[in-house]
Amino acid sequence: AQTVTQSQPEMSVQEAETVTLSCTYDTSENNYYLFWYKQPPSRQMILVIRQEAYKQQNATENRFSVNFQKAAKSFSLKISDSQLGDTAMYFCAFMKQKGAQKLVFGQGTRLTINP
Amino acid sequence: DAGVIQSPRHEVTEMGQEVTLRCKPISGHNSLFWYRQTMMRGLELLIYFNNNVPIDDSGMPEDRFSAKMPNASFSTLKIQPSEPRDSAVYFCASSQTRGSEKLFFGSGTQLSVL
Repeated sequence: AQTVTQSQPEMSVQEAETVTLSCTYDTSENNYYLFWYKQPPSRQMILVIRQEAYKQQNATENRFSVNFQKAAKSFSLKISDSQLGDTAMYFCAFMKQKGAQKLVFGQGTRLTINP
Repeated sequence: DAGVIQSPRHEVTEMGQEVTLRCKPISGHNSLFWYRQTMMRGLELLIYFNNNVPIDDSGMPEDRFSAKMPNASFSTLKIQPSEPRDSAVYFCASSQTRGSEKLFFGSGTQLSVL
């Protein structure tokens, strides 16, 4: 079974700073997908970024980028030039490439951006 | 597109009552998922449908929980009888079959069982 671990329950940074959220996972699969979802106070789960395990290039979406280390089974999220609207819970998630599209989530990191 | 639509947004009920949560997936999506979110257990997959057929219900906690998908545009999650430990946020999500590994979530239903 796959497991996803986020070791930072809470983080807090000042606006405009860069912040990195950690995620590690355990799997015997070779092909899979990794995701970061954002859950603001509105409760909506919003997809931030997606990484395909077979791609060596790290995914980037505007101010959001990942550091994917397949051998280390590590998938961290970097938020550059953080904004107040980035305040939210962030969940790392894993999905096997084959079979059911089941997402396995980490416990989440509560990120607060301070003015 | 309106996205995944869930109703109600909030539900407060008394122990022993029947609760029905509703979900309308995104048009054209043929996979539907029900997740439950609690402080203690985080986000857990309850059941997964593909083309209206339940594929994996191993996450359904007890026989008190049941889910149906009578057509491509509607699904329900029912709890009967409800218990206080069922209090949680229940999310519905939908996606297209393989080729787009992106799940789109609804806004969730906050269930409180007193």
